[in-house]
Amino acid sequence: DAKTTQPNSMESNEEEPVHLPCNHSTISGTDYIHWYRQLPSQGPEYVIHGLTSNVNNRMASLAIAEDRKSSTLILHRATLRDAAVYYCILRAPPADDMRFGAGTRLTVKP
Amino acid sequence: GAVVSQHPSRVICKSGTSVKIECRSLDFQATTMFWYRQFPKQSLMLMATSNEGSKATYEQGVEKDKFLINHASLTLSTLTVTSAHPEDSSFYICSASPGQVQNSPLHFGNGTRLTVT
Repeated sequence: DAKTTQPNSMESNEEEPVHLPCNHSTISGTDYIHWYRQLPSQGPEYVIHGLTSNVNNRMASLAIAEDRKSSTLILHRATLRDAAVYYCILRAPPADDMRFGAGTRLTVKP
Repeated sequence: GAVVSQHPSRVICKSGTSVKIECRSLDFQATTMFWYRQFPKQSLMLMATSNEGSKATYEQGVEKDKFLINHASLTLSTLTVTSAHPEDSSFYICSASPGQVQNSPLHFGNGTRLTVT
């Protein structure tokens, strides 16, 4: 299975941008890159996903390296509610399952 | 957006009893649902993949006779923890996707916190 590597933790100041990196050097050509986040005692929440091109939605932006071996989740203006564990995951055929790594715990300081 | 409902949110049971957890996709059909378990301060661990109308596929090390999964319809999957023991106490989370391919987001339930006394 392709795996991802993320920093264990990151800190950000409120209202500043946050760049959360993810390495996936063994990614295959058909793997989509998914990002989810989890608040304490809740199920994970979908953030964004993409294949090759950068993606934007109302929550965040996803920047994918040209060789696809890494990606960055960008929160343009961090709020206190963005404090969570962020997971970068590859969704791989044929099983389509999603296996979670350790994720990055984001702390947002007021 | 797509919603996955999980019930109950919390359950406390005595050792040796069985507990059933339901996972419903409220506004879409899900051929496949996934069950995860999460211990405190750890990541989610995939337990099994639940396929509508067929047997679930269990991950290595997960006892299929202990964690019974039934996916009888396109909107409902259940996980039954049989003969629960204190070490089964955990946060159980289900997920489902409106699509079968990797280009569909997974939507997660809010989890069930199981405490076995």
